Amino acid sequence: DAGITQSPRHKVTETGTPVTLRCHQTENHRYMYWYRQDPGHGLRLIHYSYGVKDTDKGEVSDGYSVSRSKTEDFLLTLESATSSQTSVYFCAISDQVGQPQHFGDGTRLSIL
Amino acid sequence: GESVGLHLPTLSVQEGDNSIINCAYSNSASDYFIWYKQESGKGPQFIIDIRSNMDKRQGQRVTVLLNKTVKHLSLQIAATQPGDSAVYFCAEEVAHGNQFYFGTGTSLTVIP
Repeated sequence: DAGITQSPRHKVTETGTPVTLRCHQTENHRYMYWYRQDPGHGLRLIHYSYGVKDTDKGEVSDGYSVSRSKTEDFLLTLESATSSQTSVYFCAISDQVGQPQHFGDGTRLSIL
Repeated sequence: GESVGLHLPTLSVQEGDNSIINCAYSNSASDYFIWYKQESGKGPQFIIDIRSNMDKRQGQRVTVLLNKTVKHLSLQIAATQPGDSAVYFCAEEVAHGNQFYFGTGTSLTVIP
């Protein structure tokens, strides 16, 4: 497997609390991505990064923010979690445009 | 937005038979496609990719076919094994920054 570690792997929290998910890579890849996966939907892009401090919004970015202060770490923050953000979150990395993305094993987040 | 869809949500095959999983895409300008396999509780795993300048690409026991005329992609798995049981989905690269749209997936079950 590509060197991608997501933490935590599981989290249960309450509505209105802040939540931060971490993605750590050891591949020194330029691009990093956050997706959510929900039943009946394909993976949907939340935010992505094309370099340190360079990020952009994806298809479903409302309610989420990201930061990338180092090449190896990409953080996803839910400032005030809502039940609609209950999902499985995947981080992915890629080396360059036109190359496959490689995924971590996900974080299962439940917001009660 | 543009999306990738799958013809069948579930597929059951006998062990040893060949499997064919189909995918329709909508963006005629897309020029890079990927097939992923996702096992329960894990992240998507890259299987094989193909670029639009090809119509066929083979890997180990897998073949991807691309028909640009009808915007159709298929994954063929030869001599399907129980370990092939998983959800398979396709992805098309649609935008700058190595962004992809993902299908919802086909669940493949291999019957021993």
